[in-house]
Amino acid sequence: GESVGLHLPTLSVQEGDNSIINCAYSNSASDYFIWYKQESGKGPQFIIDIRSNMDKRQGQRVTVLLNKTVKHLSLQIAATQPGDSAVYFCAKTSEASYDKVIFGPGTSLSVIP
Amino acid sequence: EPEVTQTPSHQVTQMGQEVILRCVPISNHLYFYWYRQILGQKVEFLVSFYNNEISEKSEIFDDQFSVERPDGSNFTLKIRSTKLEDSAMYFCASRAGVISGANVLTFGAGSRLTVL
Repeated sequence: GESVGLHLPTLSVQEGDNSIINCAYSNSASDYFIWYKQESGKGPQFIIDIRSNMDKRQGQRVTVLLNKTVKHLSLQIAATQPGDSAVYFCAKTSEASYDKVIFGPGTSLSVIP
Repeated sequence: EPEVTQTPSHQVTQMGQEVILRCVPISNHLYFYWYRQILGQKVEFLVSFYNNEISEKSEIFDDQFSVERPDGSNFTLKIRSTKLEDSAMYFCASRAGVISGANVLTFGAGSRLTVL
Protein backbone atom coordinates (compact mmCIF):
# COMPACT_ATOMS: atom_id res chain seq x y z
CA GLY A 1 0.00 0.00 0.00
CA GLU A 2 0.94 3.63 -0.02
CA SER A 3 2.85 5.14 2.84
CA VAL A 4 4.65 8.28 3.77
CA GLY A 5 7.39 8.39 6.35
CA LEU A 6 9.89 10.77 7.81
CA HIS A 7 13.53 10.19 8.56
CA LEU A 8 13.69 11.89 11.99
CA PRO A 9 10.99 12.34 14.62
CA THR A 10 12.60 15.46 16.16
CA LEU A 11 14.81 18.27 14.95
CA SER A 12 16.36 21.13 16.91
CA VAL A 13 17.84 24.15 15.17
CA GLN A 14 19.26 27.47 16.26
CA GLU A 15 17.20 30.54 15.49
CA GLY A 16 18.37 32.01 12.19
CA ASP A 17 19.73 28.74 10.85
CA ASN A 18 18.14 26.85 7.98
CA SER A 19 16.03 23.76 8.72
CA ILE A 20 15.66 20.72 6.52
CA ILE A 21 12.91 18.20 7.17
CA ASN A 22 12.96 15.00 5.16
CA CYS A 23 10.29 12.60 4.01
CA ALA A 24 10.21 9.34 2.05
CA TYR A 25 7.30 7.82 0.19
CA SER A 26 6.60 4.40 -1.21
CA ASN A 27 4.27 4.67 -4.17
CA SER A 28 5.78 5.89 -7.42
CA ALA A 29 2.35 6.76 -8.81
CA SER A 30 2.11 9.65 -6.38
CA ASP A 31 0.90 12.78 -8.04
CA TYR A 32 0.86 15.49 -5.48
CA PHE A 33 2.74 16.19 -2.26
CA ILE A 34 1.96 18.63 0.50
CA TRP A 35 3.67 19.90 3.63
CA TYR A 36 1.55 20.78 6.64
CA LYS A 37 2.52 22.50 9.86
CA GLN A 38 0.75 21.71 13.12
CA GLU A 39 1.19 23.99 16.08
CA SER A 40 0.26 22.80 19.54
CA GLY A 41 -3.50 22.61 20.00
CA LYS A 42 -4.30 23.44 16.39
CA GLY A 43 -5.18 21.61 13.21
CA PRO A 44 -2.68 21.09 10.40
CA GLN A 45 -2.02 24.17 8.32
CA PHE A 46 -1.00 24.08 4.65
CA ILE A 47 2.53 25.31 3.96
CA ILE A 48 3.45 24.39 0.41
CA ASP A 49 2.74 21.76 -2.23
CA ILE A 50 4.42 20.27 -5.26
CA ARG A 51 3.25 18.15 -8.16
CA SER A 52 5.17 15.11 -9.33
CA ASN A 53 6.11 16.81 -12.61
CA MET A 54 8.19 19.34 -10.67
CA ASP A 55 11.49 19.05 -8.78
CA LYS A 56 11.40 22.21 -6.73
CA ARG A 57 8.97 24.83 -5.59
CA GLN A 58 9.60 27.90 -3.50
CA GLY A 59 7.40 29.88 -1.20
CA GLN A 60 8.06 32.53 1.38
CA ARG A 61 11.09 31.23 3.35
CA VAL A 62 10.17 27.65 2.42
CA THR A 63 11.33 25.42 -0.40
CA VAL A 64 10.13 21.93 -1.22
CA LEU A 65 12.38 19.56 -3.16
CA LEU A 66 11.12 16.38 -4.78
CA ASN A 67 13.47 13.59 -5.87
CA LYS A 68 11.37 11.03 -7.67
CA THR A 69 14.35 8.77 -8.36
CA VAL A 70 14.81 7.98 -4.66
CA LYS A 71 11.22 8.84 -3.67
CA HIS A 72 12.31 11.56 -1.31
CA LEU A 73 10.74 14.88 -0.38
CA SER A 74 12.22 17.63 1.73
CA LEU A 75 11.10 20.91 3.25
CA GLN A 76 13.66 23.63 3.72
CA ILE A 77 12.92 26.55 6.00
CA ALA A 78 15.24 29.52 5.66
CA ALA A 79 16.23 31.63 8.64
CA THR A 80 14.21 29.56 11.09
CA GLN A 81 12.26 31.59 13.63
CA PRO A 82 10.75 30.63 17.02
CA GLY A 83 7.30 30.72 15.38
CA ASP A 84 8.40 27.87 13.14
CA SER A 85 8.42 25.50 16.13
CA ALA A 86 5.75 22.92 15.33
CA VAL A 87 5.22 19.41 14.04
CA TYR A 88 5.66 19.15 10.28
CA PHE A 89 3.88 16.52 8.26
CA CYS A 90 4.51 15.53 4.71
CA ALA A 91 1.42 14.26 2.96
CA LYS A 92 0.52 12.92 -0.43
CA THR A 93 -2.28 12.03 -2.76
CA SER A 94 -2.09 9.84 -5.82
CA GLU A 95 -3.73 9.94 -9.20
CA ALA A 96 -5.68 6.85 -8.18
CA SER A 97 -6.94 8.46 -5.01
CA TYR A 98 -6.77 12.22 -5.44
CA ASP A 99 -9.37 12.75 -2.76
CA LYS A 100 -7.47 10.95 -0.04
CA VAL A 101 -4.56 12.75 1.59
CA ILE A 102 -2.20 10.41 3.46
CA PHE A 103 -0.07 11.94 6.21
CA GLY A 104 3.35 10.88 7.37
CA PRO A 105 4.15 10.47 11.10
CA GLY A 106 5.50 14.01 11.61
CA THR A 107 8.76 15.70 12.60
CA SER A 108 8.79 17.95 15.63
CA LEU A 109 10.87 21.06 14.97
CA SER A 110 12.19 23.00 17.96
CA VAL A 111 13.83 26.36 17.41
CA ILE A 112 16.40 27.36 20.01
CA PRO A 113 16.44 31.13 20.60
CA GLU B 1 -9.74 34.74 6.71
CA PRO B 2 -12.35 31.98 6.27
CA GLU B 3 -11.99 29.09 8.67
CA VAL B 4 -13.39 25.69 9.48
CA THR B 5 -15.08 25.64 12.87
CA GLN B 6 -15.61 22.57 15.01
CA THR B 7 -17.71 21.86 18.07
CA PRO B 8 -17.32 20.73 20.75
CA SER B 9 -13.66 21.44 21.40
CA HIS B 10 -13.59 18.62 23.94
CA GLN B 11 -16.09 15.86 24.69
CA VAL B 12 -15.86 13.22 27.37
CA THR B 13 -18.15 10.22 27.00
CA GLN B 14 -18.71 6.77 28.41
CA MET B 15 -17.83 3.72 26.36
CA GLY B 16 -20.82 2.58 24.31
CA GLN B 17 -22.36 6.03 24.07
CA GLU B 18 -23.11 7.81 20.81
CA VAL B 19 -21.14 10.91 19.94
CA ILE B 20 -21.76 13.54 17.29
CA LEU B 21 -18.96 15.89 16.31
CA ARG B 22 -19.94 18.96 14.36
CA CYS B 23 -18.15 21.01 11.75
CA VAL B 24 -18.95 24.09 9.73
CA PRO B 25 -16.74 24.01 6.61
CA ILE B 26 -15.77 27.09 4.63
CA SER B 27 -18.91 28.28 2.88
CA ASN B 28 -17.92 27.92 -0.78
CA HIS B 29 -16.06 24.64 -0.34
CA LEU B 30 -17.36 21.50 -1.98
CA TYR B 31 -15.29 18.68 -0.48
CA PHE B 32 -15.38 17.72 3.16
CA TYR B 33 -13.24 15.41 5.27
CA TRP B 34 -12.79 13.91 8.67
CA TYR B 35 -9.40 12.93 10.00
CA ARG B 36 -8.34 11.75 13.41
CA GLN B 37 -5.12 11.99 15.38
CA ILE B 38 -4.44 9.77 18.34
CA LEU B 39 -2.25 11.59 20.85
CA GLY B 40 1.32 11.89 19.60
CA GLN B 41 0.64 10.01 16.40
CA LYS B 42 0.08 10.94 12.80
CA VAL B 43 -3.05 12.35 11.22
CA GLU B 44 -5.20 9.53 9.82
CA PHE B 45 -7.74 9.83 7.02
CA LEU B 46 -11.26 8.69 7.90
CA VAL B 47 -13.62 9.79 5.15
CA SER B 48 -14.17 12.22 2.31
CA PHE B 49 -17.56 13.56 1.27
CA TYR B 50 -18.67 15.26 -1.92
CA ASN B 51 -22.02 15.96 -3.53
CA ASN B 52 -23.88 14.56 -0.51
CA GLU B 53 -22.20 11.20 -0.51
CA ILE B 54 -19.06 9.50 0.73
CA SER B 55 -16.40 9.54 -1.99
CA GLU B 56 -13.77 7.59 -0.11
CA LYS B 57 -13.29 6.04 3.32
CA SER B 58 -10.53 4.27 5.20
CA GLU B 59 -10.49 0.95 7.03
CA ILE B 60 -10.96 2.86 10.27
CA PHE B 61 -14.32 4.18 9.08
CA ASP B 62 -16.40 1.09 9.85
CA ASP B 63 -20.13 0.66 10.47
CA GLN B 64 -19.85 2.52 13.77
CA PHE B 65 -19.05 5.73 11.92
CA SER B 66 -21.31 7.85 9.75
CA VAL B 67 -21.22 11.31 8.26
CA GLU B 68 -23.97 13.66 7.29
CA ARG B 69 -24.48 17.07 5.83
CA PRO B 70 -27.93 17.80 7.25
CA ASP B 71 -28.17 21.34 5.90
CA GLY B 72 -26.16 23.72 3.76
CA SER B 73 -23.60 24.50 6.40
CA ASN B 74 -22.99 21.67 8.87
CA PHE B 75 -20.99 18.49 8.37
CA THR B 76 -21.20 15.93 11.17
CA LEU B 77 -19.36 12.80 12.22
CA LYS B 78 -21.31 10.29 14.31
CA ILE B 79 -19.82 7.45 16.26
CA ARG B 80 -22.66 5.13 17.25
CA SER B 81 -21.12 3.16 20.11
CA THR B 82 -17.81 4.60 21.23
CA LYS B 83 -14.87 2.42 22.19
CA LEU B 84 -11.86 3.30 24.29
CA GLU B 85 -9.69 3.32 21.16
CA ASP B 86 -11.87 6.03 19.62
CA SER B 87 -10.23 8.51 21.98
CA ALA B 88 -8.45 10.95 19.70
CA MET B 89 -8.49 14.43 18.24
CA TYR B 90 -10.91 14.57 15.32
CA PHE B 91 -10.25 17.12 12.61
CA CYS B 92 -12.69 18.32 10.03
CA ALA B 93 -11.31 19.75 6.78
CA SER B 94 -12.68 21.18 3.58
CA ARG B 95 -11.41 22.27 0.19
CA ALA B 96 -12.76 24.33 -2.62
CA GLY B 97 -12.68 21.97 -5.58
CA VAL B 98 -10.72 20.67 -8.52
CA ILE B 99 -11.16 23.85 -10.53
CA SER B 100 -9.04 25.73 -8.03
CA GLY B 101 -6.22 23.35 -8.75
CA ALA B 102 -4.48 22.16 -5.64
CA ASN B 103 -5.85 19.67 -3.19
CA VAL B 104 -5.32 22.10 -0.32
CA LEU B 105 -7.24 21.17 2.76
CA THR B 106 -8.21 23.74 5.36
CA PHE B 107 -8.45 22.11 8.77
CA GLY B 108 -10.43 23.06 11.81
CA ALA B 109 -8.90 23.24 15.26
CA GLY B 110 -10.22 19.81 16.15
CA SER B 111 -12.56 18.15 18.62
CA ARG B 112 -10.90 16.13 21.33
CA LEU B 113 -12.87 12.98 22.19
CA THR B 114 -12.13 11.14 25.41
CA VAL B 115 -13.86 7.80 25.91
CA LEU B 116 -13.89 6.47 29.48
